[in-house]
Amino acid sequence: QKEVEQDPGPLSVPEGAIVSLNCTYSNSAFQYFMWYRQYSRKGPELLMYTYSSGNKEDGRFTAQVDKSSKYISLFIRDSQPSDSATYLCAFLKTSYDKVIFGPGTSLSVIP
Amino acid sequence: SAVISQKPSRDICQRGTSLTIQCQVDSQVTMMFWYRQQPGQSLTLIATANQGSEATYESGFVIDKFPISRPNLTFSTLTVSNMSPEDSSIYLCSVEDPGEGALTEAFFGQGTRLTVV
Repeated sequence: QKEVEQDPGPLSVPEGAIVSLNCTYSNSAFQYFMWYRQYSRKGPELLMYTYSSGNKEDGRFTAQVDKSSKYISLFIRDSQPSDSATYLCAFLKTSYDKVIFGPGTSLSVIP
Repeated sequence: SAVISQKPSRDICQRGTSLTIQCQVDSQVTMMFWYRQQPGQSLTLIATANQGSEATYESGFVIDKFPISRPNLTFSTLTVSNMSPEDSSIYLCSVEDPGEGALTEAFFGQGTRLTVV
């Protein structure tokens, strides 16, 4: 079993749709759960992070963590064409650990 | 945070030749990382560049093919040697630094898009 798996994509949705991006992981030692966003021809950048289980909201974005199921999600409400990018889930065991990246899901939001 | 300058941003190279990619960071960092990413595919860690010691390579990557230099705490180079079309990819330099909330955050250069013909 891979340490991190992510919905393969690519995902194409109409503008205004709600998007759900998902990752599963196998390492129960992960404590920090992050989402990186990578625009075309750019390196990934941190979008948001969550510590332990629960939800975190930032504008149109909500990160959700279910440690019991080893499952994390990123929800995007009212999706915009500017949200078109690859989204990578990422994990840390401790706050000073090496970041472990998921494979990424490519999202296209069609006007 | 860290700002990373990576060059070249893209290159088209003949098979059998070598290309050296440079990565400059605006602050001193202990470890620098080199990734490969096929278009639309996942990040694959090639190696960790340590200042003052040899790089640590991931399974499937060897020093003869991807020699790395790390002469100081702000600079590293990755060379793709004896290139073949299979080496066509995006190569990304990264550092990890305490970011928001003192959490380790990965910062990336803009990548080098390599095409081998």
